[in-house]
Amino acid sequence: GESVGLHLPTLSVQEGDNSIINCAYSNSASDYFIWYKQESGKGPQFIIDIRSNMDKRQGQRVTVLLNKTVKHLSLQIAATQPGDSAVYFCAENQTGRRALTFGSGTRLQVQP
Amino acid sequence: NAGVMQNPRHLVRRRGQEARLRCSPMKGHSHVYWYRQLPEEGLKFMVYLQKENIIDESGMPKERFSAEFPKEGPSILRIQQVVRGDSAAYFCASSPPDGKETQYFGPGTRLLVL
Repeated sequence: GESVGLHLPTLSVQEGDNSIINCAYSNSASDYFIWYKQESGKGPQFIIDIRSNMDKRQGQRVTVLLNKTVKHLSLQIAATQPGDSAVYFCAENQTGRRALTFGSGTRLQVQP
Repeated sequence: NAGVMQNPRHLVRRRGQEARLRCSPMKGHSHVYWYRQLPEEGLKFMVYLQKENIIDESGMPKERFSAEFPKEGPSILRIQQVVRGDSAAYFCASSPPDGKETQYFGPGTRLLVL
């Protein structure tokens, strides 16, 4: 389902550290998952995606992990930089539908 | 290759007026999606269109909202008789016709209803 909140959970990390952002989903029919980064005043920017037949996928400095058993998705950012500061959303859809269901987001703050 | 373009970026309307939001998909993309975002929240799906067809409008309010994607020109999201609760950021996304599901988003239109 969808969660709605007045305040985004915030993850604060030091520059150079690794960041892990988590997301729980509830729809067991979901088979495609995406992480987006949204900076203030901008649209969501695609980071990485993963299909349900995989449990891990790596990109440049980012890794997405999928645990279908507990319906959990995580985004790992290596060597976090100040430019990574943004709100991160996970999104999902299910076979046969194009509509994305977004999570409520996590704000990442990178301290220099 | 230009990304998804939306205009206007900011739109102010008084209650009862009409709002028209435009979206030009990425070059070569034939699938368009509209989402709405309230402050501090995730995006909520509204409608999915292909050229001249509405494929999924399950997220569209039943009244005052409509969307189109004509054969020529941008996709339009139209809100009639706006109310203050319509104030939000409206994002358009597009995806290619080859079945890949990745949606690429535009910069959004921020609608403020006074």
